[in-house]
Amino acid sequence: KAGVTQTPRYLIKTRGQQVTLSCSPISGHRSVSWYQQTPGQGLQFLFEYFSETQRNKGNFPGRFSGRQFSNSRSEMNVSTLELGDSALYLCASSPDRGPHTGELFFGEGSRLTVL
Amino acid sequence: AQSVTQLGSHVSVSEGALVLLRCNYSSSVPPYLFWYVQYPNQGLQLLLKYTSAATLVKGINGFEAEFKKSETSFHLTKPSAHMSDAAEYFCAVSEGGDSRLTFGEGTQLTVNP
Repeated sequence: KAGVTQTPRYLIKTRGQQVTLSCSPISGHRSVSWYQQTPGQGLQFLFEYFSETQRNKGNFPGRFSGRQFSNSRSEMNVSTLELGDSALYLCASSPDRGPHTGELFFGEGSRLTVL
Repeated sequence: AQSVTQLGSHVSVSEGALVLLRCNYSSSVPPYLFWYVQYPNQGLQLLLKYTSAATLVKGINGFEAEFKKSETSFHLTKPSAHMSDAAEYFCAVSEGGDSRLTFGEGTQLTVNP
């Protein structure tokens, strides 16, 4: 089974620009979560989507948004980029809830640098 | 609100020595607890998971963790460290059975030859 695929792996943007990151989950997984990883704040939950609906949202400003498509692929968007948005953005997919709750399969991440 | 504290941001052991990575949690409801590992330039990989079935949980690569409710702890151990164990380890907690995880700050494990 192919793993979680994130694109692009690396990107550089300037302040004020926007960025869209893409995530293809493991086949059959309907839940997709996004996390931001930075040296200062560690791993922080951004949001979770299931069947095209946002199920949970972390404590991030409205500049951070996401969506999920009918094939479970997900995108996240960050508008009006700030220097502090520089981070590794990790996507994780999981089977539905129940016995596999919390078992996240992570992609390798998209490393965003904001200049 | 749930939280996780990992004691020691860096742990160094010799190859063949015991690995002990400490994790304490706070949760208002019975927690789901996890240990994940992150190798350089990679995403996180699940090592093991506690969901109240058994207090001693065995995971991949010879790791195990013991849930101690009285101590609100979920420490990760491995009897004999291998060079390939060098990585960053994260403890995480989930409340309410959803997939929103709260992670600890991480512990960087170094294994010396």
